Amino acid sequence: GDSVTQMEGPVTLSEEAFLTINCTYTATGYPSLFWYVQYPGEGLQLLLKATKADDKGSNKGFEATYRKETTSFHLEKGSVQVSDSAVYFCALSDPGNEKLTFGTGTRLTIIP
Amino acid sequence: EAGVAQSPRYKIIEKRQSVAFWCNPISGHATLYWYQQILGQGPKLLIQFQNNGVVDDSQLPKDRFSAERLKGVDSTLKIQPAKLEDSAVYLCASSPDGYNQPQHFGDGTRLSIL
Repeated sequence: GDSVTQMEGPVTLSEEAFLTINCTYTATGYPSLFWYVQYPGEGLQLLLKATKADDKGSNKGFEATYRKETTSFHLEKGSVQVSDSAVYFCALSDPGNEKLTFGTGTRLTIIP
Repeated sequence: EAGVAQSPRYKIIEKRQSVAFWCNPISGHATLYWYQQILGQGPKLLIQFQNNGVVDDSQLPKDRFSAERLKGVDSTLKIQPAKLEDSAVYLCASSPDGYNQPQHFGDGTRLSIL
């Protein structure tokens, strides 16, 4: 079955540091890939997505590129802020089946 | 546009009691999802509705969990009787019709079983 493997946390970085959160997936077809973010006490929010190989999703300075050859969708940001502190989830959905399969999440803490 | 509304935000019950959660999706969204998020894990789909029909309930523990979506709008998820392992956040999400539409999540209901 489908699965998503995320870099284990927690991750602690200083403000303005470079961020990478690794995500790899296993799927039978050609899934769509997503990053969701969950701020404390809130529900999940879609951060970015990519629907086919080599697509790059981007939002709020975050980027992730759909790499079919390595089955990866790593999240990156060039300069993190304290407000980026949250839990980040990588997820996939199969074509025609909108069900999301999530990774376990990575807690990110940015210190001033 | 108003987001996905869920209530209550928090619920504490004793094991073997029953509990119900309510979800009001974004207006016009045909698809509604219930997810269970156990502490330290990613959300896991329990049930997916398309309008008022069930699309996928393969992960729903049907001996104790039930869900309905009357008139294709609001939905209720019930647990009866609750077990200790049901302690989790229950998330509702909705999405419009169409391919690859993003899911919009509510803030969730945090359930604690004593």
